[in-house]
Amino acid sequence: QSALTQPRSVSGSPGQSVTISCTGTSSDVGGYNYVSWYQQHPGKAPKLMIYGVSKRPSGVPDRFSGSKSGNTASLTISGLQAEDEADYYCCSYAGSYTLWVFGGGTKLTVL
Amino acid sequence: EVQLLESGGDLVQPGGSLRLSCAASGFTFSSYVMTWVRQAPGKGLEWVSTIRGSGDYTHYADSVKGRSTISRDNSKNTLYLQMNSLRVEDTAVYYCAKEGDYDFEDWGQGTLVTVSS
Repeated sequence: QSALTQPRSVSGSPGQSVTISCTGTSSDVGGYNYVSWYQQHPGKAPKLMIYGVSKRPSGVPDRFSGSKSGNTASLTISGLQAEDEADYYCCSYAGSYTLWVFGGGTKLTVL
Repeated sequence: EVQLLESGGDLVQPGGSLRLSCAASGFTFSSYVMTWVRQAPGKGLEWVSTIRGSGDYTHYADSVKGRSTISRDNSKNTLYLQMNSLRVEDTAVYYCAKEGDYDFEDWGQGTLVTVSS
């Protein structure tokens, strides 16, 4: 199973919005509504930001939102803040053989 | 508060073995699916293995299948990953994660495995 495709980097200025895409196939992203997104700061463990395509765990700011269209999921961060600078990974359930597949990660830079 | 504390990472020679542990607290361990995820230096996240709460169902990524065994001791609230025939490409930080609603809702801090001669 190939990794999901994410842009290697995105950037935005404080207060702006950015969107990170995550492209898979009908066997993963397109086949299930089980896409999640993780934020990882350098040297830290990943943190769940979005689950079930568009749901936010308690404590995650509503500036973070998720969506999906076909085989592509997206994470949008609005009102960018300096602390949002991190790596972001998407993940999708991929069925009973492969189980889980991650994206290659996107480095978000807040200019 | 959920806490996951991995241990057991070390420097090991190619072909060697290692057992990783993940001590869990703050939740009913036996009720949750648990997973190992790894991250090679400077690389992305990779799913490694998953085990059901009762331990009766296990699943492995092709990259470790046949060389690794996931297990759990619900009486000790501990998750394990036995890794054999280690390769240089197994070098990574290994995280244990507690699954939620088809996601990984809690993560440990990771333990570093280095495979090198």
